[in-house]
Amino acid sequence: DAKTTQPNSMESNEEEPVHLPCNHSTISGTDYIHWYRQLPSQGPEYVIHGLTSNVNNRMASLAIAEDRKSSTLILHRATLRDAAVYYCILRGNYGGSQGNLIFGKGTKLSVKP
Amino acid sequence: DTAVSQTPKYLVTQMGNDKSIKCEQNLGHDTMYWYKQDSKKFLKIMFSYNNKELIINETVPNRFSPKSPDKAHLNLHINSLELGDSAVYFCASSQNWGVGEKLFFGSGTQLSVL
Repeated sequence: DAKTTQPNSMESNEEEPVHLPCNHSTISGTDYIHWYRQLPSQGPEYVIHGLTSNVNNRMASLAIAEDRKSSTLILHRATLRDAAVYYCILRGNYGGSQGNLIFGKGTKLSVKP
Repeated sequence: DTAVSQTPKYLVTQMGNDKSIKCEQNLGHDTMYWYKQDSKKFLKIMFSYNNKELIINETVPNRFSPKSPDKAHLNLHINSLELGDSAVYFCASSQNWGVGEKLFFGSGTQLSVL
């Protein structure tokens, strides 16, 4: 499996930008980089995904390194509602995941008022 | 309108019983999934279905039997419940099986086996 490495936890102040890093040095050429988050007592929620180019949507931005061995999820202005566990996941057709979305431990983001 | 809905939200039962969890999606998606989140909060894929056909069974015990009567539904039946089955079960769906597709998750069913 192509695995990802994320910090266990991060803290942010409300209304400040947050950069959540993810390392995936064994990524293969066809692996997509997906980000999901899970708010307390809720199901996982899609945030963003990309393959090679940086991506923006209404929730966040995804910056992908040129060699694709790392990526960063950017929340432009953290709110209290953004406190959640953020999962960086590689999804590809090859390897043990067989195309499935396999969750790791994620990064627990705390947002301080 | 909830995109992916699961029932019941809570399920408390005795060891040895048989129970079912229902899942429905109104997104017109072809692919549905079941995930299990244990007490340590690890999310594990259990099953993947595409167009009502089982694609992946991630070494789940035979006591767990998914059933997909149509593309909009993927129900999970569990026989002879054990203490270790206590967890939160999430259903999800995606447009198709493509690895670039995003998944939509339900709000979960908390199963407690006593």
